Amino acid sequence: AQSVTQPDIHITVSEGASLELRCNYSYGATPYLFWYVQSPGQGLQLLLKYFSGDTLVQGIKGFEAEFKRSQSSFNLRKPSVHWSDAAEYFCAVGGGAGSYQLTFGKGTKLSVIP
Amino acid sequence: DVKVTQSSRYLVKRTGEKVFLECVQDMDHENMFWYRQDPGLGLRLIYFSYDVKMKEKGDIPEGYSVSREKKERFSLILESASTNQTSMYLCASSSRQGEAKNIQYFGAGTRLSVL
Repeated sequence: AQSVTQPDIHITVSEGASLELRCNYSYGATPYLFWYVQSPGQGLQLLLKYFSGDTLVQGIKGFEAEFKRSQSSFNLRKPSVHWSDAAEYFCAVGGGAGSYQLTFGKGTKLSVIP
Repeated sequence: DVKVTQSSRYLVKRTGEKVFLECVQDMDHENMFWYRQDPGLGLRLIYFSYDVKMKEKGDIPEGYSVSREKKERFSLILESASTNQTSMYLCASSSRQGEAKNIQYFGAGTRLSVL
């Protein structure tokens, strides 16, 4: 069965500092990987996705993520955090042909100190 | 842009009531999903549908049912609401075409309180 682990429940960073949110997955084949962001009281918005090819993927809002097969990881990074990035971030893994479902991690809440 | 609309942002219901949560998408997506979100538990899949009148159970279907009579609309039904169903409910949709089938688009959520 596929699974996603986000080891950090809550992270606090200062505005302007760099950010890395960790995600580890378990999946039997080549995974499709996603990062979503949820602002308070809102639904989830797709930040970026990895399906194949270049292992460093760029997303919206200045975020990027790197797929490392050997470490089963898909960590999210941003070089300089803005106060508006405060939100909850979810990593998700999905299958290939014939699979419609995504499995989500439990999320990492990001707080930003002005 | 894909738009997934959930009919209510907030609902307050009494124990034992029958509750309907409605979701509509405007992108002709084949797949639709209902999730429940609780603090510390992330998103858990309740049901999903891959076509009109077709449905499959997710991880936590107990106490819920669904209806998909039209392609754009997916309803979640709580037959007899209980306090442990107080939660945030999220609807999502996705296409079944190629790699896009794995990209889910979410509504804003319905926060349900059962008293």
